[in-house]
Amino acid sequence: DTAVSQTPKYLVTQMGNDKSIKCEQNLGHDTMYWYKQDSKKFLKIMFSYNNKELIINETVPNRFSPKSPDKAHLNLHINSLELGDSAVYFCASSLGGGAEKLFFGSGTQLSVL
Amino acid sequence: GESVGLHLPTLSVQEGDNSIINCAYSNSASDYFIWYKQESGKGPQFIIDIRSNMDKRQGQRVTVLLNKTVKHLSLQIAATQPGDSAVYFCAEKARTGTYKYIFGTGTRLKVLA
Repeated sequence: DTAVSQTPKYLVTQMGNDKSIKCEQNLGHDTMYWYKQDSKKFLKIMFSYNNKELIINETVPNRFSPKSPDKAHLNLHINSLELGDSAVYFCASSLGGGAEKLFFGSGTQLSVL
Repeated sequence: GESVGLHLPTLSVQEGDNSIINCAYSNSASDYFIWYKQESGKGPQFIIDIRSNMDKRQGQRVTVLLNKTVKHLSLQIAATQPGDSAVYFCAEKARTGTYKYIFGTGTRLKVLA
């Protein structure tokens, strides 16, 4: 069973569209994250939720809105997509906020045309 | 502050040789560190971690060294194999009080046959 699963794997869309990426973890973790990886492979945190509560929001445009219906799910909705949004988006989870490993999903490659 | 990636350094190593991948971390308050391996098309996978009360930790074929004085972390891979080819990231975190994992630039390891 995949520990952190995100869908879709690939997303190709036109500028101006709205799209969502879904993430689910079956590890029983309390904390989930969205990271963005650019073309140079740099991983930057976007959001983090702990028990459905937003705890990190890292200077991300308002067009990005995370939603956590329960602690096992963290979805990312993006409005009015722009060319610069093209990247790989990774969902991750950790047990809590201590010295714990971060577990990643396999990524969603978003291409905005 | 946060590390900002300008380019992806590459380390080329002959199969069977030892590899050393270096990482300079940015936050003197960080006291938990993780190394991740990212293969093409996949999410980062945990390799090994170390807490700041240690300066060395060994796993299977991998060793992490931590030098807090100069804020430096290294990953040593013994007898490098073709399957070790990937991008390697270090990540830093303060053990308590934050859920934020900060990733380094990443290093691409190429194993030559």
